[in-house]
Amino acid sequence: AQSVTQLDSQVPVFEEAPVELRCNYSSSVSVYLFWYVQYPNQGLQLLLKYLSGSTLVKGINGFEAEFNKSQTSFHLRKPSVHISDTAEYFCAVTRNRDDKIIFGKGTRLHILP
Amino acid sequence: DGGITQSPKYLFRKEGQNVTLSCEQNLNHDAMYWYRQDPGQGLRLIYYSQIVNDFQKGDIAEGYSVSREKKESFPLTVTSAQKNPTAFYLCASRGQGVASPLHFGNGTRLTVT
Repeated sequence: AQSVTQLDSQVPVFEEAPVELRCNYSSSVSVYLFWYVQYPNQGLQLLLKYLSGSTLVKGINGFEAEFNKSQTSFHLRKPSVHISDTAEYFCAVTRNRDDKIIFGKGTRLHILP
Repeated sequence: DGGITQSPKYLFRKEGQNVTLSCEQNLNHDAMYWYRQDPGQGLRLIYYSQIVNDFQKGDIAEGYSVSREKKESFPLTVTSAQKNPTAFYLCASRGQGVASPLHFGNGTRLTVT
């Protein structure tokens, strides 16, 4: 069975500092990985996805993530955060189109002035 | 613009009453999903439908029911049998193709007192 672990429930970071949000997954087969962002009282928006190929994936709003198969990780990074990045971030995994998408429990990013 | 519309945004009900949450999409997606979100618990799958007139239970289907009579619509009924119905409910759809991401509506916040 697949599972997703987001190691930090909350991450505080100063404005303009770099940030890394951690995500680890478990699966016995190849997976597809996603990061979503949720602003308060809204639905989720896709930030980026990894399907195959280059392990470094660039997404919207300056975010990027690196797929590491040996460590079964898909950590999300941004070199310099802005106050507008305050949101909850979800890592998700699926095996193929017909399978369910499994979500982590989310990481709340707090930007400190 | 194509998207998913959930209505209403806020819903209040008395305990013991059934309530139906609306979800409509104009993305021409076959698959639709209902998730429940509670603080600190991420997204949990309630029901999903991969084609009209067919749907499957997710991880927490007890106390909920759905129908899929049209491709565009996937309403969720929260019945009086659901023990803790107060939550944020998210509807999503997914297109064809390997590893298609989910597209989300803006959610309905249900409060039952």
